[in-house]
Amino acid sequence: AQSVTQLGSHVSVSEGALVLLRCNYSSSVPPYLFWYVQYPNQGLQLLLKYTTGATLVKGINGFEAEFKKSETSFHLTKPSAHMSDAAEYFCAVSRYSSASKIIFGSGTRLSIRP
Amino acid sequence: DTGVSQNPRHKITKRGQNVTFRCDPISEHNRLYWYRQTLGQGPEFLTYFQNEAQLEKSRLLSDRFSAERPKGSFSTLEIQRTEQGDSAMYLCASSREGAQPEHTGELFFGEGSRLTVL
Repeated sequence: AQSVTQLGSHVSVSEGALVLLRCNYSSSVPPYLFWYVQYPNQGLQLLLKYTTGATLVKGINGFEAEFKKSETSFHLTKPSAHMSDAAEYFCAVSRYSSASKIIFGSGTRLSIRP
Repeated sequence: DTGVSQNPRHKITKRGQNVTFRCDPISEHNRLYWYRQTLGQGPEFLTYFQNEAQLEKSRLLSDRFSAERPKGSFSTLEIQRTEQGDSAMYLCASSREGAQPEHTGELFFGEGSRLTVL
């Protein structure tokens, strides 16, 4: 079975500071990994994903994540936070297959201080 | 592309009543998911369809919950004999899954149907 653990339900950073949201996964088979974002009063949308190939993946709005198999991690980073980044971020995992459900973590709420 | 549409957006019902939610996915998407989300939690998987076939249903889901996707287009989620613990946001998502991984995992979510059971 697959699962993800997001460390920290709430992260607060200053505008312009580094954003680091942590995600560790558990999977008995090679995983596909995702980060989704939910802005206030909006539906979830895909931020970025890792399927195969390059382990550093880039997403929208300057975010990126690195798949580290040895650490079973897929942390999300952004060099410089912007006020518009305030949202709920969800890490998710599925099996290395197109015929697989996607399991979400409990989420991390990102707040940006002026 | 009109997006994923869910109806009704809000439903308030009394305990013991039945409720049904409808989801209209993006037209060319072959996969449809139902999730449930409560405050402070991530989406919890309920079930998903590939075209009209229901591929998996969560073992945590009671028999009071049933979902259909009769023609591989829209889907309905019915909850019978609602309980207060069923109060949540019910999310529908669709995706285009196939042999190429570029579409894998890119779920397009609707805005959800909020259920309140009194």
